Amino acid sequence: GAVVSQHPSRVICKSGTSVKIECRSLDFQATTMFWYRQFPKQSLMLMATSNEGSKATYEQGVEKDKFLINHASLTLSTLTVTSAHPEDSSFYICSARDQGHGELFFGEGSRLTVL
Amino acid sequence: DQQVKQNSPSLSVQEGRISILNCDYTNSMFDYFLWYKKYPAEGPTFLISISSIKDKNEDGRFTVFLNKSAKHLSLHIVPSQPGDSAVYFCAATYTGTASKLTFGTGTRLQVTL
Repeated sequence: GAVVSQHPSRVICKSGTSVKIECRSLDFQATTMFWYRQFPKQSLMLMATSNEGSKATYEQGVEKDKFLINHASLTLSTLTVTSAHPEDSSFYICSARDQGHGELFFGEGSRLTVL
Repeated sequence: DQQVKQNSPSLSVQEGRISILNCDYTNSMFDYFLWYKKYPAEGPTFLISISSIKDKNEDGRFTVFLNKSAKHLSLHIVPSQPGDSAVYFCAATYTGTASKLTFGTGTRLQVTL
């Protein structure tokens, strides 16, 4: 079946540094990808919708300058957490929609820990 | 404002019995609902979905029921198996295909021997 891969699965960084998380659709093209964030024991909260070749659409309350999203190709979207702080520590999950079939597939998630 | 709610954070069921997970929503514009299963440190995996034009959808051991007037849906797992132990999220969207999803808070299911 279709696979969405995220990398890295775990990352630990120092406060003030930037971290990039990649989301790839491995066997299908995705014009739209979504980035979610999950706090412990809470729901997945949609952060932004990433559209290939155009600017991402951010949900209310999500700082676009803090969470930079780039969707440069039909198979890759990246989320960069800039100047990370401990409160940015979270589980980040991407999903990609197969433009051919309309199905939505999720990546394995990336756990970010900011020290 | 939590538009999709799962009021039971956890549920424990004996192997072989039925597991019933509930989900309520407040936004009457939602017309497509999905259930996802999630293991720790992994992304959600799709289980089953239902369109608002239906009131039931069945796939093997999994059945989803939708009560539009009550804005309520439920996931039934029969018979429950230990491998079903995970966190289950219901999600809702406006369109007929899985698009921008609004997730519930999840219910942790524990299937005991």
